[in-house]
Amino acid sequence: KAGVTQTPRYLIKTRGQQVTLSCSPISGHRSVSWYQQTPGQGLQFLFEYFSETQRNKGNFPGRFSGRQFSNSRSEMNVSTLELGDSALYLCASSQTPRDSSYNSPLHFGNGTRLTVT
Amino acid sequence: SQKIEQNSEALNIQEGKTATLTCNYTNYSPAYLQWYRQDPGRGPVFLLLIRENEKEKRKERLKVTFDTTLKQSLFHITASQPADSATYLCAPHSGGGADGLTFGKGTHLIIQP
Repeated sequence: KAGVTQTPRYLIKTRGQQVTLSCSPISGHRSVSWYQQTPGQGLQFLFEYFSETQRNKGNFPGRFSGRQFSNSRSEMNVSTLELGDSALYLCASSQTPRDSSYNSPLHFGNGTRLTVT
Repeated sequence: SQKIEQNSEALNIQEGKTATLTCNYTNYSPAYLQWYRQDPGRGPVFLLLIRENEKEKRKERLKVTFDTTLKQSLFHITASQPADSATYLCAPHSGGGADGLTFGKGTHLIIQP
């Protein structure tokens, strides 16, 4: 089975621009979660999608948004980029959503490294 | 507020010895706890999941304990090898509710040959 695929691997943007990151989950996984990882804050939860619906959302401003398509692929968008948005953005898929009674582990992609200048 | 604490400093262990990593949590009542390994430039990889009613879980050279009274999980790697060098993350979770899986900042483990 192919793993979680994230594109692009690296991205350099300028302050004020917007960016869209893409994630293809493992085949059969319907839950996709997004995380931001920085050296200072570690892994921080952005949001989770299951069956095209946002199930959970972390404590991030509205500039961060996402969506999920019918084939479970997901995209996240960051508008009006700030220098502090520079981070590794990780996508993870699982068979069930976080609020399910059966908690399957997360399978992460290798992330998109976003640099904002 | 909920807090997860892992050794912030790198842990240096000699090859062949047992490495023990600690995960402490406060203001949590996790139903289960997960451990992940992360290598530089890559996403975390799931290692083990332990539930609140399990005191110990093993997988090959890995062992995890879960003490809900102490609010602590210990992660052991026996017969450690240089290839075990990585950052290890713990993630306790309540098992329900609207919160996403929250991770500790991880412990950087270095196995010296």
